[in-house]
Amino acid sequence: GAVVSQHPSWVICKSGTSVKIECRSLDFQATTMFWYRQFPKQSLMLMATSNEGSKATYEQGVEKDKFLINHASLTLSTLTVTSAHPEDSSFYICSAREQQDYEQYFGPGTRLTVT
Amino acid sequence: QKEVEQNSGPLSVPEGAIASLNCTYSDRVSQSFFWYRQYSGKSPELIMSIYSNGDKEDGRFTAQLNKASQYVSLLIRDSQPSDSATYLCAVNTNAGKSTFGDGTTLTVKP
Repeated sequence: GAVVSQHPSWVICKSGTSVKIECRSLDFQATTMFWYRQFPKQSLMLMATSNEGSKATYEQGVEKDKFLINHASLTLSTLTVTSAHPEDSSFYICSAREQQDYEQYFGPGTRLTVT
Repeated sequence: QKEVEQNSGPLSVPEGAIASLNCTYSDRVSQSFFWYRQYSGKSPELIMSIYSNGDKEDGRFTAQLNKASQYVSLLIRDSQPSDSATYLCAVNTNAGKSTFGDGTTLTVKP
């Protein structure tokens, strides 16, 4: 199957700082990438959908100025959590899809802890 | 009504039994259907995709799709303790939207 990488796999940062998470599709070109957040024992929550070269579409309730998404190429998307607070601590997972009828492939996730 | 609905479980089956996971969806124009497995603390991994009515088998897994009933299921034969996980149903529409169910937690008891 297709491979999606995420970096870093875990990060600890101080409150008020910003953190960037990278998502790469390693062996296919991803026209669409998705960013999810998951709290312990809860469902996946879609944060935003990004298509290469265009602005991300954010789900209701997700602050676009706080969670900056860039999908600069067909193999790379980044999520920047700005001015992080402890309540932003979560498991952030990206996924990538080659075409709209196709399956999504998930990255391994990034565990963010804000102290 | 949720767009994609799954029984939250937990579903518990003995080792060697058949586990049956069900999913219903509301959008009739949905075209693509997927099952993912998520172990605790890990990200989801794709198990099966199905696009046409009927059954699709891959090893111990069989996906079943009935578009008329807006129903997709996953059967796991000869269940193993390593199958214990949360199983997510996902549906793609013509517009490219992907919607996930909340997942069913499966426990296979030795």
